[in-house]
Amino acid sequence: SAVISQKPSRDICQRGTSLTIQCQVDSQVTMMFWYRQQPGQSLTLIATANQGSEATYESGFVIDKFPISRPNLTFSTLTVSNMSPEDSSIYLCSVGGGQPNQPQHFGDGTRLSIL
Amino acid sequence: KQEVTQIPAALSVPEGENLVLNCSFTDSAIYNLQWFRQDPGKGLTSLLLIQSSQREQTSGRLNASLDKSSGRSTLYIAASQPGDSATYLCAVRRGGDYKLSFGAGTTVTVRA
Repeated sequence: SAVISQKPSRDICQRGTSLTIQCQVDSQVTMMFWYRQQPGQSLTLIATANQGSEATYESGFVIDKFPISRPNLTFSTLTVSNMSPEDSSIYLCSVGGGQPNQPQHFGDGTRLSIL
Repeated sequence: KQEVTQIPAALSVPEGENLVLNCSFTDSAIYNLQWFRQDPGKGLTSLLLIQSSQREQTSGRLNASLDKSSGRSTLYIAASQPGDSATYLCAVRRGGDYKLSFGAGTTVTVRA
């Protein structure tokens, strides 16, 4: 399975600032996703990162707040903009799942705390 | 909209006992179902994937069953060990896209 590296692994940020999270995969992948896991809750899909085009956002998530880049088939970034304490979460990158027998795999996540 | 429910929310067992974790989903038109393990503060580790055409999958001490028509999956962990302590998440992928709908998870504690 693909090896997924996320940076940073954790950060503490001031409210009103922005943070960019990087996701690097050791092989080319078609499908790449960004999820959020708020404290004590399960995962919610933020968006699908599309290579060469704009990301596809889920209901409740907008590009101005969570801009995503996907410059190639091995790399993506998620920016959390104008952060507030409500953005304190684990943000996870995921790849795979293109075929029925292909699982999705996740990075270790970025634990973000906003003061 | 696909709703995924996991019962119980938490489970504590003595070492050696078998674990039974339940997952139910509302829309039976699924592409596949995946079970994950999450350790505190960490990402997700994929344990098993069951395709919609399959009834079960096995990996070592883990066995997952799928009854698509009734919207249920069960994860069995045999002879539990303290190292099995974690949160177990069930995720369903619907046909037509790649999105996973997650349950809230079952937090397992195996007592030595």
